Amino acid sequence: SVLTQPPSLSVAPGQTARITCGGISIGSQGVHWYQQKPGRAPVLVVYDDTDRPSGIPERFSGSNSGNTATLTITRVETGDEADYYCQVWDIATSDHPEVFGTGTQVTVL
Amino acid sequence: QLVESGGGLVQPGGSLRLSCVASGIIFSDHYMDWVRQAPGKGLEWVGRSRNKATSYTTDYAASVKGRFTISRDGSKDSLYLEMSSVKAEDTAVYFCASRSGRHRNAIDIWGQGTMVTVSS
Repeated sequence: SVLTQPPSLSVAPGQTARITCGGISIGSQGVHWYQQKPGRAPVLVVYDDTDRPSGIPERFSGSNSGNTATLTITRVETGDEADYYCQVWDIATSDHPEVFGTGTQVTVL
Repeated sequence: QLVESGGGLVQPGGSLRLSCVASGIIFSDHYMDWVRQAPGKGLEWVGRSRNKATSYTTDYAASVKGRFTISRDGSKDSLYLEMSSVKAEDTAVYFCASRSGRHRNAIDIWGQGTMVTVSS
């Protein structure tokens, strides 16, 4: 599997950021999203397409259909500036690898 | 909590062993993964050790298969990554990771990472 994300995205504070993750029939798989700030480990922000771990603001939401999954961040804040990665468990490939997207750097202007 | 150690400088073709000590989880119940991140690059899954229920079987990324070996020591709640025949492209921060089970199969427990540099 190859999961393709836009390399970068700029958004103004208070606006909405939409980060896409493209993959063949990704809609048939559960997609997870991670936020990673410089020098830190990734943090899970959305799992199984649409669910949020406790402690993650409701401003973070996910959707997944067809060949595209999307992470949406509403009312963007400066603290949301980070790299974001989608991820699936590829059970169709030998060794069932975890596959990460190429990553999107979100800049809050 | 996961705490990695063992990173450092290693020459091309050499070997290195990374360790990860787990606390706060029932180690034998959990899949344990290694994920790496080359400088300025994205996340790359390296491999996993499945849990006791699946006989601790291991899976590897194609890029490391045959060179890296994942093992565990249940008596120490420790996960290991034996790296051999290392290449410059193995230079990365290596994260130990796992799943609490509270978020289906999503990886929601991460160590702080340990840096491995392959250079002569």
